Amino acid sequence: NAGVTQTPKFQVLKTGQSMTLQCAQDMNHNSMYWYRQDPGMGLRLIYYSASEGTTDKGEVPNGYNVSRLNKREFSLRLESAAPSQTSVYFCASSGQGRYGYTFGSGTRLTVV
Amino acid sequence: DQQVKQNSPSLSVQEGRISILNCDYTNSMFDYFLWYKKYPAEGPTFLISISSIKDKNEDGRFTVFLNKSAKHLSLHIVPSQPGDSAVYFCPSFGNEKLTFGTGTRLTIIP
Repeated sequence: NAGVTQTPKFQVLKTGQSMTLQCAQDMNHNSMYWYRQDPGMGLRLIYYSASEGTTDKGEVPNGYNVSRLNKREFSLRLESAAPSQTSVYFCASSGQGRYGYTFGSGTRLTVV
Repeated sequence: DQQVKQNSPSLSVQEGRISILNCDYTNSMFDYFLWYKKYPAEGPTFLISISSIKDKNEDGRFTVFLNKSAKHLSLHIVPSQPGDSAVYFCPSFGNEKLTFGTGTRLTIIP
């Protein structure tokens, strides 16, 4: 009963490096989301995918790209990491909208 | 433009007493209001919700109140327990997305 799995859990990048954060859910949910959490800012939506094959920008999409590879997987890519992208990233999935959100345990990313 | 605001970043409450967490919102078009709870190093988990057409919803020790005229949402926890120590968020649900506030860190003092 894994729910939402995020990899890696921790990552340190140098400025300008690229990386992809992986997210997979095993609940057959249609919708998936990427949030970032910063001190004093709460959780802010980066991108979301309402269904397989669709993606939309959230509140803070700049500097990120996403891929909804299939119904289970939704990846977040940083093409050229910047220190401002140091954050904790959470992936979530939803099958029932308002309270069907299940979050992963997060990826702590540090860009130096 | 932050649509949901939690103006108290932290709150400390004695074990057994009532904890009251508050949120103010600006967008009257939200369909539902929810409370999520978050422990360190874990993702948020759903706690309780309220429809925009209701003014109260209760689930065990947790009660959520919605004051539409004041655009104010509150969560009451009675009695407070040490396991309630966490960060609480009041995201609103609209356009199939959750919009989060900044959270309130609740500390229950034994």
